[in-house]
Amino acid sequence: NAGVTQTPKFQVLKTGQSMTLQCAQDMNHNSMYWYRQDPGMGLRLIYYSASEGTTDKGEVPNGYNVSRLNKREFSLRLESAAPSQTSVYFCASSERWGPEPYNEQFFGPGTRLTVL
Amino acid sequence: AQSVSQHNHHVILSEAASLELGCNYSYGGTVNLFWYVQYPGQHLQLLLKYFSGDPLVKGIKGFEAEFIKSKFSFNLRKPSVQWSDTAEYFCAVVGAGSYQLTFGKGTKLSVIP
Repeated sequence: NAGVTQTPKFQVLKTGQSMTLQCAQDMNHNSMYWYRQDPGMGLRLIYYSASEGTTDKGEVPNGYNVSRLNKREFSLRLESAAPSQTSVYFCASSERWGPEPYNEQFFGPGTRLTVL
Repeated sequence: AQSVSQHNHHVILSEAASLELGCNYSYGGTVNLFWYVQYPGQHLQLLLKYFSGDPLVKGIKGFEAEFIKSKFSFNLRKPSVQWSDTAEYFCAVVGAGSYQLTFGKGTKLSVIP
């Protein structure tokens, strides 16, 4: 039982390049999330998927797109990377979009992205 | 909209000292509260959570937190810290009806042997 996995662990991009961050969970969770972590800013929600087939914007969605490929997988795409997107990206999942105890989130190991 | 404030950016303690990290939230209704820890180079791990019931909750590694509704606070405590507690600590809140987790900016704890 791996929990939440993310690939790649590290990535360096040049401004304007595109890439997709992959996330998968094996806990049969319905809801999945993408966050970015910046020094002194905590974690901020980029997008979330409350259930398979739905996605919604979070606090900082600009410059990103997401795809809920199936119940297990939720990918984050940067179409044209910018230096301001240099960050650590975390994927998380929860049993479902709802009240306690279903809203406890489990986090992946993160992807450290640098945009030059 | 809900928000979380963590008052201390960086706390430095000697081993065996007591720890209290402040967390205040703003939300008018029922909340669920969480403390996560991030050890250097690792991902977030849940320390403890408050869902309902006893406002004093105990977590892993000897940590505890008290939910004080009248003060909108959920402070994290540990009576005696160890060097291995060096990490960044995040408080987070979910407001009933929003289901969206909002994080504080984090408090970095450095424990000196």
